[in-house]
Formats: sequence, C-alpha cells, structure tokens
Amino acid sequence: GENVEQHPSTLSVQEGDSAVIKCTYSDSASNYFPWYKQELGKGPQLIIDIRSNVGEKKDQRIAVTLNKTAKHFSLHITETQPEDSAVYFCAVKAPNAGKSTFGDGTTLTVKP
Amino acid sequence: DAGITQSPRHKVTETGTPVTLRCHQTENHRYMYWYRQDPGHGLRLIHYSYGVKDTDKGEVSDGYSVSRSKTEDFLLTLESATSSQTSVYFCAISGQGNYEQYFGPGTRLTVT
Repeated sequence: GENVEQHPSTLSVQEGDSAVIKCTYSDSASNYFPWYKQELGKGPQLIIDIRSNVGEKKDQRIAVTLNKTAKHFSLHITETQPEDSAVYFCAVKAPNAGKSTFGDGTTLTVKP
Repeated sequence: DAGITQSPRHKVTETGTPVTLRCHQTENHRYMYWYRQDPGHGLRLIHYSYGVKDTDKGEVSDGYSVSRSKTEDFLLTLESATSSQTSVYFCAISGQGNYEQYFGPGTRLTVT
C-alpha cells in the first residue's frame, strides 16, 4: 500500500519567517496531494491541494510544490503569523483509490 | 463549513460496554470515513463507506464495526470498548470524485 512520510514532526519559527514541510510518498500512480491544517480542538481543514498535472500552486501566503519524479511535495508558508500555529497534515491519493493516506503531521509553532 | 456533525462530542464509558458514535452529513456526499487520532500516530483510518451499505476496512479496523443505511448517516460501533480505544474520533466526507475531505468536529472517547 501507499506509504507517506512527513518531515519534520515539529517546527518552530519566528513570526515573519518562512516554514516548509515536506512529504514523500511511494505510489507513483498517486495524483492528488492535499494539505490540511488542524487547530487545537478542531477537525482538520483543507487549506491547499495540488494535482499531478501541475508543479506548483499558490494561495496568498501558502504554496504547494510537487516533484513527481522524486515523489515528494512540500507546503510553503511565507510571512508566518501566530495564527499559523497548528498541526499540518499532508495526504496522498491515487486514482480510483477509495481512501487517502495521511502523513503523521507536523506541529508548527510561530513565536511572536 | 461542510454540513457534518458528530455525536456525542464527548463520552466516557467503561471497559466492556458497547459504544456507538454517529456521523451525520447534509452534503449528500458519497464517501464517508472514520478516523482515530492519537498522539504520535496522526490520523488512522478505521473504516470507510463508498455508498449506502457499501463499506470497507481501513488500517485499524479490529474491534470496530460500521453501518451506513442512509446516505447521510455513518455509524461507528465499538462492540466491547477497551482502554486502547480511548482516542479522538473524526468523521470525514468526500464527494463524487473522492478527493477533498471535509472533517467533522470530532468525538473524544474515554474508556475507563
């Protein structure tokens, strides 16, 4: 089955700095790569996603990049703010698969 | 926010008792999922459903059963709760393409 590894498990940055979280996957057929943000006491929420026909996608301060050859994708957050502090999960899904596989999560702390 | 609710939101039960958690959606989405979240393990899939009466196992299905008799409801049952099933349980839904997942607010279950 699909194997997803997410690094780092914890990340601490100063407000205004950038943060990068990386995920690697094993199934070359995978074609959907979302990122979820989970705030304390809440369920995960989709923040950005990318499909295998594009290499990069941006939405204001967040971006996701995909390298299908190397089978990894990354979440980039620029100009971090304290409200970016949360747990971030990557996920991977192959076509026609009934389920997605999630990474173990990264706890991001943005220090004021 | 996607129309997805979970009940109860909190429950404390004793070892050996049966427990049923309910997930209810108003989005008419085809796919529904049950995950558990424990420290250090991220989100682990218990069971999922790809239609009424159509379900399949996830990676941690032992000790759990599910039922889906209506599109809007997906029930998770612990036939005989054990302390190892103390966790936060999340339900998620996904539409026809089965890509983006929308999560409920979670149920915190404590088995004493």
